[in-house]
Amino acid sequence: DTAVSQTPKYLVTQMGNDKSIKCEQNLGHDTMYWYKQDSKKFLKIMFSYNNKELIINETVPNRFSPKSPDKAHLNLHINSLELGDSAVYFCASEGTARNTIYFGEGSWLTVV
Amino acid sequence: AQSVAQPEDQVNVAEGNPLTVKCTYSVSGNPYLFWYVQYPNRGLQFLLKYITGDNLVKGSYGFEAEFNKSQTSFHLKKPSALVSDSALYFCAVRDRGFQKLVFGTGTRLLVSP
Repeated sequence: DTAVSQTPKYLVTQMGNDKSIKCEQNLGHDTMYWYKQDSKKFLKIMFSYNNKELIINETVPNRFSPKSPDKAHLNLHINSLELGDSAVYFCASEGTARNTIYFGEGSWLTVV
Repeated sequence: AQSVAQPEDQVNVAEGNPLTVKCTYSVSGNPYLFWYVQYPNRGLQFLLKYITGDNLVKGSYGFEAEFNKSQTSFHLKKPSALVSDSALYFCAVRDRGFQKLVFGTGTRLLVSP
């Protein structure tokens, strides 16, 4: 019973393609996030949604478009993939107490 | 803006010895502080947090951390290291007025048998 689940776990695709990563949480949380971990393992927030509403958007290229159909899901769509998009993308969620963020297992994206 | 520093890229310790992974932070006001662990090809697992109260916080797998306000530190400790503790450890801070969780650069812990 994975609390925060992401699919796919591994994705290899060519430059210029469009791809999506899906995320679902079964914790009943109302806030969800996307974080990016680069090749040096540095973690940085990309987006945050609260009850389907975008609340954080960190200077991410507009090729990245998050979509939250409901508060249990936050998907990440990436257009026109570039080599520099290769990274691990982590979905995360948090409850109303806003004091602990729980992460998914990550999605390893490789752009070739 | 809040920030976190993890001054050691790697910490090496022998199994059975105590371990410390260092973290200092910068934030306006009182912080929320966290430690996460990442095993190879895995996600981030929550270890422990300091929100308020006792400065010594106990977490998962026998880890603990001590909040020191005067030194703005939140070092992770364990009395007796296990080989299975070998992983990448991240310290993180959140300003109570903001929503972002800001991570340090990570410290790789290697525990030798």
